[in-house]
Amino acid sequence: DTGVSQNPRHKITKRGQNVTFRCDPISEHNRLYWYRQTLGQGPEFLTYFQNEAQLEKSRLLSDRFSAERPKGSFSTLEIQRTEQGDSAMYLCASSSDRGSNQPQHFGDGTRLSIL
Amino acid sequence: AQSVTQLGSHVSVSEGALVLLRCNYSSSVPPYLFWYVQYPNQGLQLLLKYTTGATLVKGINGFEAEFKKSETSFHLTKPSAHMSDAAEYFCAVSRGGTSYGKLTFGQGTILTVHP
Repeated sequence: DTGVSQNPRHKITKRGQNVTFRCDPISEHNRLYWYRQTLGQGPEFLTYFQNEAQLEKSRLLSDRFSAERPKGSFSTLEIQRTEQGDSAMYLCASSSDRGSNQPQHFGDGTRLSIL
Repeated sequence: AQSVTQLGSHVSVSEGALVLLRCNYSSSVPPYLFWYVQYPNQGLQLLLKYTTGATLVKGINGFEAEFKKSETSFHLTKPSAHMSDAAEYFCAVSRGGTSYGKLTFGQGTILTVHP
């Protein structure tokens, strides 16, 4: 169990640029989640994958956001035309699908700063 | 819809003193409840969870929490605080019995431990 890995850890970019983050879940975990955490707040759910299928998206996930999990393993989260309000910590989590509500294991996150 | 309220954004205790972090939830269905801890610039680590069964749940690092349905509460306690407990703590809820566990988090409580 190597844990959930997220890259990069930090990303600084200018407003209007596109950014892409990667998440590698724990290898045997079929479920993968993305959350966003702004300063002083708890994480907010963005989207959920069961294997390669994206089964739920939050209203927080505007058209500028897209997430993929093409082979049911790693996932990417892309933000197009970044805005100041996108500055946040983006957290990825994974869990087993053996039984309901298995605990989610979180990565250390990608901190995005928009200049 | 589900929600979580953590009473007190900051809690300060002396080393060796009792730690009490308060969490109240709202859920239209039986909830699953979780406490996570977050150290600076890191992801979230699961402390403990309540799904069904015994209402007093023991977790890692000497923490425990009690599910009280009548009070819709899930307060986190530790008999004796240690300096290493200083961190931010998040209470979270998910819908019990569903096939996956989208988490709704509270706003967090920062715990400070004084020597």
